[in-house]
Amino acid sequence: DTGVSQNPRHKITKRGQNVTFRCDPISEHNRLYWYRQTLGQGPEFLTYFQNEAQLEKSRLLSDRFSAERPKGSFSTLEIQRTEQGDSAMYLCASAEWGEISGYTFGSGTRLTVV
Amino acid sequence: EDKVVQSPLSLVVHEGDTVTLNCSYEVTNFRSLLWYKQEKKAPTFLFMLTSSGIEKKSGRLSSILDKKELFSILNITATQTGDSAIYLCAVEALGAGTYKYIFGTGTRLKVLA
Repeated sequence: DTGVSQNPRHKITKRGQNVTFRCDPISEHNRLYWYRQTLGQGPEFLTYFQNEAQLEKSRLLSDRFSAERPKGSFSTLEIQRTEQGDSAMYLCASAEWGEISGYTFGSGTRLTVV
Repeated sequence: EDKVVQSPLSLVVHEGDTVTLNCSYEVTNFRSLLWYKQEKKAPTFLFMLTSSGIEKKSGRLSSILDKKELFSILNITATQTGDSAIYLCAVEALGAGTYKYIFGTGTRLKVLA
């Protein structure tokens, strides 16, 4: 386990379809974050898990978005009824409590809604 | 509202030039400032700064934080084409009960051979 793994790497979907992304953090990391990055912008915070508990959700996360981390290990991010505005790179990051070297990011899932 | 502002938005230089990237911030409950390099995919960690005036160095890259004036700079000396990337500044701040990173829009650096 050498890093944060995200699947799929790319997803093209039709407007109105549901999509689900998966993130496998570094195994000993108990903190997990989802960010969204659109072209020309920095990553924007979506949600945070400490172990299995979802402790914070951004107001960017509409009712169509839901995230889970059922056993405190991998996490999923689901988008229902996708819209073209959902097209972005979805980044997952993990960290160990008290870690001083910053989050480790995955390579992201690039979503294109057509 | 918490915000992180980076400048310039983009920069084109020639190999061997020295560049300075800027990051200013306004946040409540500041804990740290971080610099990341983003090429095609995942941002990769460069520096974490928590104290004012202490320069951090890694090869040709260095960074310093000024907590009084609320800014940081990232310097790259003797630039190489491999330095071409987006450089992201993030501030770790407390919001809604948890600490998280707030990112700037990034500076897109292109180094020409």
